[in-house]
Amino acid sequence: NAGVTQTPKFQVLKTGQSMTLQCAQDMNHNSMYWYRQDPGMGLRLIYYSASEGTTDKGEVPNGYNVSRLNKREFSLRLESAAPSQTSVYFCASPGQGYNEQFFGPGTRLTVL
Amino acid sequence: DAKTTQPPSMDCAEGRAANLPCNHSTISGNEYVYWYRQIHSQGPQYIIHGLKNNETNEMASLIITEDRKSSTLILPHATLRDTAVYYCIVRVGATGNQFYFGTGTSLTVIP
Repeated sequence: NAGVTQTPKFQVLKTGQSMTLQCAQDMNHNSMYWYRQDPGMGLRLIYYSASEGTTDKGEVPNGYNVSRLNKREFSLRLESAAPSQTSVYFCASPGQGYNEQFFGPGTRLTVL
Repeated sequence: DAKTTQPPSMDCAEGRAANLPCNHSTISGNEYVYWYRQIHSQGPQYIIHGLKNNETNEMASLIITEDRKSSTLILPHATLRDTAVYYCIVRVGATGNQFYFGTGTSLTVIP
């Protein structure tokens, strides 16, 4: 039981390049979330998915797209990366009752 | 969801109790208080949550004032491994989708 996994762990992009961050959970949870964390800041919600096939915007959705193709996986796509998107990205999935969120190890993204 | 106010940093001697305060003066009646911590650059870890009664688990105790406008997280015997950023969050319980993490309190446990 791995919990929440994310790939890749590190990535460097040039401005304008695209990439997809992958997240998977093996806890059979309905909801999944994507956060970003800038240096010295708390986490900010980008997008979330309450169930398979549904997605909603969070606090900072601009510049991102998401896809919830099945219950296990929730991907985050940057179509045209910008330096302002340099951040650490965390995927999370709440447990029963939404009280405890289980976080992945994070993806450290640098956009040059 | 209500905003929270926490001191940016605190120190605590190893073995002593660490008391981390949080103000949430605009909390609504159906909003819970949650505490998470983030060690170094790992993903945040759930610690405890409560509505109005004090709560205790194997990690910590949560004391919520009677008017619910503030709370304190207590780590009874702090260890070096408790050095982390601690986030106090308020949100609607099972129906609330978003956690607003804020900037938290950076706790340093000193040997």
